[in-house]
Amino acid sequence: DAGVTQSPTHLIKTRGQQVTLRCSPISGHKSVSWYQQVLGQGPQFIFQYYEKEERGRGNFPDRFSARQFPNYSSELNVNALLLGDSALYLCASSLVRDGANVLTFGAGSRLTVL
Amino acid sequence: QKEVEQDPGPLSVPEGAIVSLNCTYSNSAFQYFMWYRQYSRKGPELLMYTYSSGNKEDGRFTAQVDKSSKYISLFIRDSQPSDSATYLCAMTTVQTGANNLFFGTGTRLTVIP
Repeated sequence: DAGVTQSPTHLIKTRGQQVTLRCSPISGHKSVSWYQQVLGQGPQFIFQYYEKEERGRGNFPDRFSARQFPNYSSELNVNALLLGDSALYLCASSLVRDGANVLTFGAGSRLTVL
Repeated sequence: QKEVEQDPGPLSVPEGAIVSLNCTYSNSAFQYFMWYRQYSRKGPELLMYTYSSGNKEDGRFTAQVDKSSKYISLFIRDSQPSDSATYLCAMTTVQTGANNLFFGTGTRLTVIP
């Protein structure tokens, strides 16, 4: 089975631009989450979508938005990019295991903002 | 104060050593505890997860949770050079459908042949 796939793997943008990152979950997984991982830090929760509905949102500004499609794939959009948005953006899909939502992460999209 | 604290290291050990990795946390509502391994330029990979307090063993890896002390540990026995990676602890509350994991900073481990 294919794991969580993300695209693009790397991209470079300039301040003020907009970016769209894409994620395909593991087949059968209906929940997708997005995390931001700044260099040297642990991942930080941005969004969770389940069955196309937003189920949770982390402490990120409104410049960050996301959506989930009927095939459970997802997009993360970031507007008006800032230098501080440079990070690895991770997508994770999940199933409930023993009552816990166990996340499987993709390899990430590395965004550099110049 | 961060909700999850983890010593970033780096930690270097000789091959075959026992490695101990630890995290502390402040939110007593955390019930699920996980350890992820992250190789350079890759996404985190789930190693272990435990519910509430206790121990869990899987091969060379043992996860321990002490909720009374708000302290979790991961032990790696007979460490191998392939174990060289960043180890992230993560935890969450019991909320159906919620995937808001709180991560530590990660501990960078190098196992020297």
